[in-house]
Amino acid sequence: DTAVSQTPKYLVTQMGNDKSIKCEQNLGHDTMYWYKQDSKKFLKIMFSYNNKELIINETVPNRFSPKSPDKAHLNLHINSLELGDSAVYFCASSQEFMGVNAEAFFGQGTRLTVV
Amino acid sequence: KQEVTQIPAALSVPEGENLVLNCSFTDSAIYNLQWFRQDPGKGLTSLLLIQSSQREQTSGRLNASLDKSSGRSTLYIAASQPGDSATYLCAAKGAQKLVFGQGTRLTINP
Repeated sequence: DTAVSQTPKYLVTQMGNDKSIKCEQNLGHDTMYWYKQDSKKFLKIMFSYNNKELIINETVPNRFSPKSPDKAHLNLHINSLELGDSAVYFCASSQEFMGVNAEAFFGQGTRLTVV
Repeated sequence: KQEVTQIPAALSVPEGENLVLNCSFTDSAIYNLQWFRQDPGKGLTSLLLIQSSQREQTSGRLNASLDKSSGRSTLYIAASQPGDSATYLCAAKGAQKLVFGQGTRLTINP
């Protein structure tokens, strides 16, 4: 029973296209994230949502637009894809409460290749 | 701004050895520190979570320690096995986000 699931796992697309990656968590967590792992394997946060509200936007180009229809879902839409967007994108979730921040769980990643 | 560093970047040891992976962070105002494992082409698997008020956590052959005052955490792996080969990542939790180190790529040789 997958805790954090992302689709698709692989995405190959041409420059200029628009694409979406979906993420769902069944852990009942109130906070969800998108992270990007570049070619050097460095993981960096892109967005953080708490109860459907955007909390963090780490200077990500506005071609990237996250959407959270409910607190179990956080989708990532990317417009006008560029070669430099090629990376692995990870969705994650955690429960933030009473100042005690719990364990973060990650999805399996979406490998995006822009050609 | 939090920065997390992991040393060494890569480590290769014979099977059966005990080993220590190091993680340092610049801002001691963290909520917790989490260790992950990443296999090639795969996602992140959480190994251990240490809350800021704790000094260590253990799970099987793994033991993680946290010293907030010095900005350091270590992951100790006992009696290493070839199946332990992977990249190990530490991440410091600040307000609403995890900041990751660049990982230690561990190879256990049979």
